Amino acid sequence: AAGVIQSPRHLIKEKRETATLKCYPIPRHDTVYWYQQGPGQDPQFLISFYEKMQSDKGSIPDRFSAQQFSDYHSELNMSSLELGDSALYFCASTVRGGGAGELFFGEGSRLTVL
Amino acid sequence: DQQVKQNSPSLSVQEGRISILNCDYTNSMFDYFLWYKKYPAEGPTFLISISSIKDKNEDGRFTVFLNKSAKHLSLHIVPSQPGDSAVYFCAASAVNRDDKIIFGKGTRLHILP
Repeated sequence: AAGVIQSPRHLIKEKRETATLKCYPIPRHDTVYWYQQGPGQDPQFLISFYEKMQSDKGSIPDRFSAQQFSDYHSELNMSSLELGDSALYFCASTVRGGGAGELFFGEGSRLTVL
Repeated sequence: DQQVKQNSPSLSVQEGRISILNCDYTNSMFDYFLWYKKYPAEGPTFLISISSIKDKNEDGRFTVFLNKSAKHLSLHIVPSQPGDSAVYFCAASAVNRDDKIIFGKGTRLHILP
């Protein structure tokens, strides 16, 4: 069965560079979430999209932006990278109103900022 | 402000015994609770959930208990197996308000041979 696909799986950047992470949700899922998990920390909600519109915003820095495209894939753009941005970034998808409430997660994109 | 708390960072249980993972929450608006299991370098995988209208939900070896008055839930794994060694995240959401899911910090479960 198709799962949530994230790319790239690993990314190494220097400080002040930019990075873009991509998330391809499960087919027919209309909602995408982004989470950031730093070393030894719990996943922190960043931002979510429903039907290509931003639906909720969490602790996402102003240096980050994201969008959901017409094919429902989402991209997280990170600029002026800082060392503290090094983390595992998870994307998750679900069907809003599906009743189950479960999110299906991708395997994550590990960003290392040097 | 940690709305979902897992106070035990780690837990070791003998294979075949019962594993009990605990979770407390502070937001009374939460009405849906989930447990996720996470292996290293992988995304969390959904395990089991419970709605606030229930106090127990069972799925095979996994049972989640919800005590709304105490704002406490627990995940029981019986019997524990080696493949259960992972980090377990408790999560909560207020389904009727927004879809945001708040995670706890996780509990690392070690199943001992």
